[in-house]
Amino acid sequence: TQLLEQSPQFLSIQEGENLTVYCNSSSVFSSLQWYRQEPGEGPVLLVTVVTGGEVKKLKRLTFQFGDARKDSSLHITAAQPGDTGLYLCAFSGSRLTFGEGTQLTVNP
Amino acid sequence: DSGVTQTPKHLITATGQRVTLRCSPRSGDLSVYWYQQSLDQGLQFLIQYYNGEERAKGNILERFSAQQFPDLHSELNLSSLELGDSALYFCASSFRGGGNTEAFFGQGTRLTVV
Repeated sequence: TQLLEQSPQFLSIQEGENLTVYCNSSSVFSSLQWYRQEPGEGPVLLVTVVTGGEVKKLKRLTFQFGDARKDSSLHITAAQPGDTGLYLCAFSGSRLTFGEGTQLTVNP
Repeated sequence: DSGVTQTPKHLITATGQRVTLRCSPRSGDLSVYWYQQSLDQGLQFLIQYYNGEERAKGNILERFSAQQFPDLHSELNLSSLELGDSALYFCASSFRGGGNTEAFFGQGTRLTVV
């Protein structure tokens, strides 16, 4: 059983559409992280959310941490082909544990 | 550029062989993590070192071993290689060893076992 469940596993959309991906768990976390991985590259940290209910924005990306600190979401507005990649949520506790990720493809 | 250096970038070897993957962490980072990523799969945690000591162990096979040296670089040794060991192997580093730490990843070593 995965500590972090991400959905959907795959998402293919057209440029300009909005989307939301989710990271869920039955555990409570002190914080969650979101990474993006492009093909052939290592993951790059996008954001860390710490406080329950917290919302952080990074240009067209909006990250939210659930009130109970068990889940998080990533919303992308007006997706662009450059947003294509694997989006991973992660928990940094005694080890850095990743979910399986959402593979996003944005078609021109 | 994350500041984490992994060598080699690509490695092709035969079944039964042994290889060593090398990782130099970012300057100042004390912790090193190793991950395996197979095709279309997520990052599987293998092992973590902090300041030369093993900190956490994940799903690392007995045929695999790692260490972190006094200069903080790390090596991952893979032996008796099997076809299923073909994967991307990533190293990451962080300043702290855990707890809300931010990790920086290298570009990975793509291992192909033939």
